[in-house]
Amino acid sequence: SQTIHQWPATLVQPVGSPLSLECTVEGTSNPNLYWYRQAAGRGLQLLFYSIGIDQISSEVPQNLSASRPQDRQFILSSKKLLLSDSGFYLCAWSEGFSGNTIYFGEGSWLTVV
Amino acid sequence: QQPVQSPQAVILREGEDAVINCSSSKALYSVHWYRQKHGEAPVFLMILLKGGEQKGHDKISASFNEKKQQSSLYLTASQLSYSGTYFCGTELGGQNFVFGPGTRLSVLP
Repeated sequence: SQTIHQWPATLVQPVGSPLSLECTVEGTSNPNLYWYRQAAGRGLQLLFYSIGIDQISSEVPQNLSASRPQDRQFILSSKKLLLSDSGFYLCAWSEGFSGNTIYFGEGSWLTVV
Repeated sequence: QQPVQSPQAVILREGEDAVINCSSSKALYSVHWYRQKHGEAPVFLMILLKGGEQKGHDKISASFNEKKQQSSLYLTASQLSYSGTYFCGTELGGQNFVFGPGTRLSVLP
């Protein structure tokens, strides 16, 4: 069966510090991968999605970036965090787009102080 | 492009019914429903594809009216475990998928 795992689960980082969140998927090949952010009490905002290695689409301009160095690995990064980057970050995967379920990882709580 | 969900929040007593609506201004290929508990990742409930579907799982069911570009989630005889935020996700086809703002459901004893 397929599993998705992301880490770290919680992170407290000072403003201006770098960020790296990692996500891996097991049990499937060539999945679509996604990074979502959820501010406290808010909806799900799609940040990036990827349909293949080194193929990244950005949905929202910001100081974050994403990379997919391997088929089932998706990394969210920042060189300098802002206070507004705080939130709940969710990695997700699906098999293709049309009519396919999106499965979420456990989420990572980021607090920028 | 974000779908509209209504109501924004609802409070129920255990055993009562609720309906959550999701509507789009665009033609939809599919509608997905998820539930998220506080501090946890969203969990998939069901997906409805175009063609006009109804699905059910235990006491949670949903309908998709393709012509009206809307879907409704029905929670029957609600349980405490139904509390959470419900998101619909609408797919316009291709890579165009977006979640609604969510409906917060609280079930009280």
